[in-house]
Amino acid sequence: DTGVSQDPRHKITKRGQNVTFRCDPISEHNRLYWYRQTLGQGPEFLTYFQNEAQLEKSRLLSDRFSAERPKGSFSTLEIQRTEQGDSAMYLCASSSVQGDQPQHFGDGTRLSIL
Amino acid sequence: GENVEQHPSTLSVQEGDSAVIKCTYSDSASNYFPWYKQELGKRPQLIIDIRSNVGEKKDQRIAVTLNKTAKHFSLHITETQPEDSAVYFCAAILSGGYNKLIFGAGTRLAVHP
Repeated sequence: DTGVSQDPRHKITKRGQNVTFRCDPISEHNRLYWYRQTLGQGPEFLTYFQNEAQLEKSRLLSDRFSAERPKGSFSTLEIQRTEQGDSAMYLCASSSVQGDQPQHFGDGTRLSIL
Repeated sequence: GENVEQHPSTLSVQEGDSAVIKCTYSDSASNYFPWYKQELGKRPQLIIDIRSNVGEKKDQRIAVTLNKTAKHFSLHITETQPEDSAVYFCAAILSGGYNKLIFGAGTRLAVHP
């Protein structure tokens, strides 16, 4: 068990560019979550997958954001036409589907918009 | 909407003292309450959790208590050490929300030698 891994760790881009992040969950976990964390705040829920199905999206997830989990394993989060306000840490977490199992987080991708 | 409030936002203690962080939640149907520790630049790390059918849980120097009636839960750290210094987040599962976590704003704990 190597834990949840995220790539890249840091991303710096100019406003208006598109960015894509990847999350590899713990291998036996079929639940996958994306959260966003800004400085001095707790993580905020963005979206949730059970296997390949995206079952819930937060109102925080504007139409510029899209997430996929095509084979029920890794997931990608894409932000189109990035804005200054998108600067944040994007965290991925995974858990087992059995009951209220703990969510384990990755190290996150820190996005900085110039 | 549903939210979790966490207090205090900062906490400074001397090594060896106890630290207590308190959270309240609004969704009375919430039934799972984890606590995460986040060091600077690192991932939130689960340190302890409690389910609504239990009033207290302890793991070495860390304990969590839950008062379902008052919708309060607290983290207690005894015999604090400098390596306990970090930001601590409480969270609650939103009922009917596919187990998504609602986090408090965090408590920055500083343990001074």
